[in-house]
Amino acid sequence: EVQLLESGGGLVQPGGSLRLSCVASGFTLSSYVMSWVRQAPGKGLEWVSEISGSGGSTRYADSVKGRFTTSRDNSKNTVYLQMNSLRAEDTAVYYCARKFSGGDGWFDPWGQGTLVTVSS
Amino acid sequence: QSVLTQPPSVSGAPGQRVTISCTGSSSNIGTGYHVHWYQHLPGTAPKLLIYGNNNRPSGVPDRFSGSKSGTSASLAITGLQAEDEADYYCQSYDSSLSGFVFGSGTKVTVL
Repeated sequence: EVQLLESGGGLVQPGGSLRLSCVASGFTLSSYVMSWVRQAPGKGLEWVSEISGSGGSTRYADSVKGRFTTSRDNSKNTVYLQMNSLRAEDTAVYYCARKFSGGDGWFDPWGQGTLVTVSS
Repeated sequence: QSVLTQPPSVSGAPGQRVTISCTGSSSNIGTGYHVHWYQHLPGTAPKLLIYGNNNRPSGVPDRFSGSKSGTSASLAITGLQAEDEADYYCQSYDSSLSGFVFGSGTKVTVL
């Protein structure tokens, strides 16, 4: 069964850092582009970042560019999201998702998500 | 505010048909980028319902269907069931933002 499991969320102060992990199982991680998507409380879904199968190419939403970094270790079947200079508006449930098809592809499956709360 | 606009809520009685619109612009849906749809229950992982405008993944009932025209897309649910109560999101790609965009989300209520 294809599964994604996020971890690493928690409470962090504004300006702090946190690293999220997403462990994949049931498929060959290196064959897929992976993304992070978040949902702030009471808000809709927002795409955060994408990383190519090899890890050599990444891109980010403008809202996190320069503060967040996504990476992967295919040998550990894990994708990461390093979040620095966190702000209150980064408070959200963060999901990792496998991406299908080309530039305008879709996400399937998604993990259950991990909650990040940025507050003093 | 979301790049793709959806109605905040739609409702219908069991067995009825409801539709959810997703309105974009010339930099996303209107350019020809595909539209995908997800069902999301709070506290759970979002689930892919429709990909590539009108394709259903294996396991998704044929009560769910998608369409696209111009700068808009629609999700239709026929034979509405209590288990369909959830939030629904459309998704596409935006060339101006160089990134993926989601709709504002629509809550479906079964009366």
